[in-house]
Amino acid sequence: EPEVTQTPSHQVTQMGQEVILRCVPISNHLYFYWYRQILGQKVEFLVSFYNNEISEKSEIFDDQFSVERPDGSNFTLKIRSTKLEDSAMYFCASSEGGTRMNTEAFFGQGTRLTVV
Amino acid sequence: QQPVQSPQAVILREGEDAVINCSSSKALYSVHWYRQKHGEAPVFLMILLKGGEQKGHEKISASFNEKKQQSSLYLTASQLSYSGTYFCGTDLIPNNNNDMRFGAGTRLTVKP
Repeated sequence: EPEVTQTPSHQVTQMGQEVILRCVPISNHLYFYWYRQILGQKVEFLVSFYNNEISEKSEIFDDQFSVERPDGSNFTLKIRSTKLEDSAMYFCASSEGGTRMNTEAFFGQGTRLTVV
Repeated sequence: QQPVQSPQAVILREGEDAVINCSSSKALYSVHWYRQKHGEAPVFLMILLKGGEQKGHEKISASFNEKKQQSSLYLTASQLSYSGTYFCGTDLIPNNNNDMRFGAGTRLTVKP
């Protein structure tokens, strides 16, 4: 069964460092998303991506964040200068259609980012 | 813009029923229900798009009211495997697209 793959599963980084979280969405999917979940809290929307550009982004997704689809298969989330409060589980998701269509989003297993 | 879920937590015995509500102050384009088990990724349950729609699979079903501001998830004859946190994700009318916001979640615990 096709799945969304995220790497690494766990990343520890020092405050102020840049991190890149990687995702390989399901191959025929066109819509891609990043969410984050601070331990014990709800899943928060960061950004959606379609047709090689950002479709929507939330208040959380400030200038420190960027997304890219560098090679047609990977979908990356970059945090330029990490802060302690960026520590969270980051989930990538993909879907065939957008959120207004009758298609489900498949989530990856997440990358746990710990900023120290 | 995020939906409001209630209750925050439910504890059931196996075989009991539960209802989880998701509501918005504004009309929604769609409602998505997901279940997340501890330490795992959210897993899709169902999407509702039309006002008045009801959908279900086996003993888990959901409804979307006519005004499209409220959805309920119904779990009947609960099983141990139903335990987890249930999130509703909503896409708000009119303009935002591909912007799905999740509620705070309802933690469901099913005990033997």
